[in-house]
Amino acid sequence: DTAVSQTPKYLVTQMGNDKSIKCEQNLGHDTMYWYKQDSKKFLKIMFSYNNKELIINETVPNRFSPKSPDKAHLNLHINSLELGDSAVYFCASSQESRKLENGYTFGSGTRLTVV
Amino acid sequence: SQKIEQNSEALNIQEGKTATLTCNYTNYSPAYLQWYRQDPGRGPVFLLLIRENEKEKRKERLKVTFDTTLKQSLFHITASQPADSATYLCAHSTTGGGNKLTFGTGTQLKVEL
Repeated sequence: DTAVSQTPKYLVTQMGNDKSIKCEQNLGHDTMYWYKQDSKKFLKIMFSYNNKELIINETVPNRFSPKSPDKAHLNLHINSLELGDSAVYFCASSQESRKLENGYTFGSGTRLTVV
Repeated sequence: SQKIEQNSEALNIQEGKTATLTCNYTNYSPAYLQWYRQDPGRGPVFLLLIRENEKEKRKERLKVTFDTTLKQSLFHITASQPADSATYLCAHSTTGGGNKLTFGTGTQLKVEL
């Protein structure tokens, strides 16, 4: 059973398009995250949700809008895609009360290529 | 703002030796440091966490140390194997309650036969 699953795994799209990435976790965690990993492999946090409430928004352009319909799901919608949005996007989850023992659990990533 | 630096982009060692990776941080002392392993095409996998009041933590062949005076954490893999080849990421967080995990740039370890 996959703990944190993201779809799609690969996404190739043209500039200006709108696209969504979905994430689901079956660990019963209460906190979910979106991270962006650029071409230099640097992982940077974008958003964090705790029990469906946005708690971290790291100066991400308004074109990026996360949505958490319930605490097991965190989707990322991106409007008007730009070349610079090309990266690997990782979803992660943690249990706030237990993350110190178990860390974060990451999905396998969505490689977004904007052409 | 806090900055995490892993001062080796790449590290090559021979099988059986101990690999030592360095993580340095600036400014305030993070409450916790975590270490992750990332393989190509995959997400990071949690390995170990060490708190600021702990000097050392071990798990099988892995050992992490934390020196708040030097603002540094060392990550050791003893009796290294080719299967240990991966990128290792250091990350810090402050206190609990919705805090964010900030990652270092990573060190790519290659264990050669």
